[in-house]
Amino acid sequence: DAGVIQSPRHEVTEMGQEVTLRCKPISGHNSLFWYRQTMMRGLELLIYFNNNVPIDDSGMPEDRFSAKMPNASFSTLKIQPSEPRDSAVYFCASSFTSGGDNEQFFGPGTRLTVL
Amino acid sequence: GENVEQHPSTLSVQEGDSAVIKCTYSDSASNYFPWYKQELGKRPQLIIDIRSNVGEKKDQRIAVTLNKTAKHFSLHITETQPEDSAVYFCAASLGGSYIPTFGRGTSLIVHP
Repeated sequence: DAGVIQSPRHEVTEMGQEVTLRCKPISGHNSLFWYRQTMMRGLELLIYFNNNVPIDDSGMPEDRFSAKMPNASFSTLKIQPSEPRDSAVYFCASSFTSGGDNEQFFGPGTRLTVL
Repeated sequence: GENVEQHPSTLSVQEGDSAVIKCTYSDSASNYFPWYKQELGKRPQLIIDIRSNVGEKKDQRIAVTLNKTAKHFSLHITETQPEDSAVYFCAASLGGSYIPTFGRGTSLIVHP
């Protein structure tokens, strides 16, 4: 397996623009997580899906952020409109959770810069 | 919800020395405690984990200990090498929630 795949790897955009980040989890994994990492706030969980259903989105900072998982092999995180304070590295991670917690496999991340 | 505190935030050691990173958690129902290593510009990767039914686990030069009574767990790295330099994150998962709460990370620097 190629591991968790994220695209794009780098994104530079201007304030006010829409940004869409994409993630393909490891085949067979039933849980998917979106994280945001900054120096100031560390690694923050934004949203967690289990079997394609959003279970916990309490970490989504505000209505400008939305996430979808239309099927087991694809998820998107959208920011509209983007702001400079959204600049961060966004990681997608997947795991197989059944009967207990297990290792999360992180994607390479998307480095987002909002000018 | 769960709260995880991690110390120190930065740790500098000489090659060959041991390094210890400590974490505390707040919810006694947490039962899964992974440790992730993140090298500069890379993704976090699991290096070792422990479940609440075990007090200690070792894997070559790394070990993790868990004290459920005190609600703290630690990562021990022996005979440190420059390639151990990275940020290390601890995490705790509330049983069955599958959602880990991460510590703020420890930047480990191993000087040759």
